[in-house]
Amino acid sequence: AQSVTQPDIHITVSEGASLELRCNYSYGATPYLFWYVQSPGQGLQLLLKYFSGDTLVQGIKGFEAEFKRSQSSFNLRKPSVHWSDAAEYFCAVGINTGGFKTIFGAGTRLFVKA
Amino acid sequence: EAGVAQSPRYKIIEKRQSVAFWCNPISGHATLYWYQQILGQGPKLLIQFQNNGVVDDSQLPKDRFSAERLKGVDSTLKIQPAKLEDSAVYLCASSSGGGVIETQYFGPGTRLLVL
Repeated sequence: AQSVTQPDIHITVSEGASLELRCNYSYGATPYLFWYVQSPGQGLQLLLKYFSGDTLVQGIKGFEAEFKRSQSSFNLRKPSVHWSDAAEYFCAVGINTGGFKTIFGAGTRLFVKA
Repeated sequence: EAGVAQSPRYKIIEKRQSVAFWCNPISGHATLYWYQQILGQGPKLLIQFQNNGVVDDSQLPKDRFSAERLKGVDSTLKIQPAKLEDSAVYLCASSSGGGVIETQYFGPGTRLLVL
């Protein structure tokens, strides 16, 4: 069955430090992969997506993610975290069911300390 | 451009009562989604509409949940009767089409607490 695993429930990083959020997926066909961010009281916002081509994907707010087929991973990175990046981050996989369905991971909450 | 609108933002009801949520998608978006997000979990798709037709409702508990999208614009999600386990945030999203390349835009959600 298709699934997305985010191994870290929460992560704390210092402001200015680098960040990597892990994501592993399970899907038999070519995956369509996404990262969303959810700030308190706000809806989810798409950070970036991978469909095909270059396995390193650039997104908004300085985020990037790398697709590694051999590891079934799509980790999110940022070289220098800002306090405003504190939020919940969701990895998701898009699957073809005749239509198109998005399956989300459980999320990783990012805390940023000064 | 106005985003996805949802109301109410918060709702508290007792179990066995009924409740309804409303969603107005971005103008011109053909596809509308309802997700349920239980605390500590990612969003789970309940139902997807393409215009006013249902594309996927495989995870909608049809014995108590219903949804409609009249005229292919705004949508209502209803729960009747509510159970304690229905406590969650209900997210509405829309996209211009239903394909994998379409970006989904999410509303702020309705937080439901069932006592």
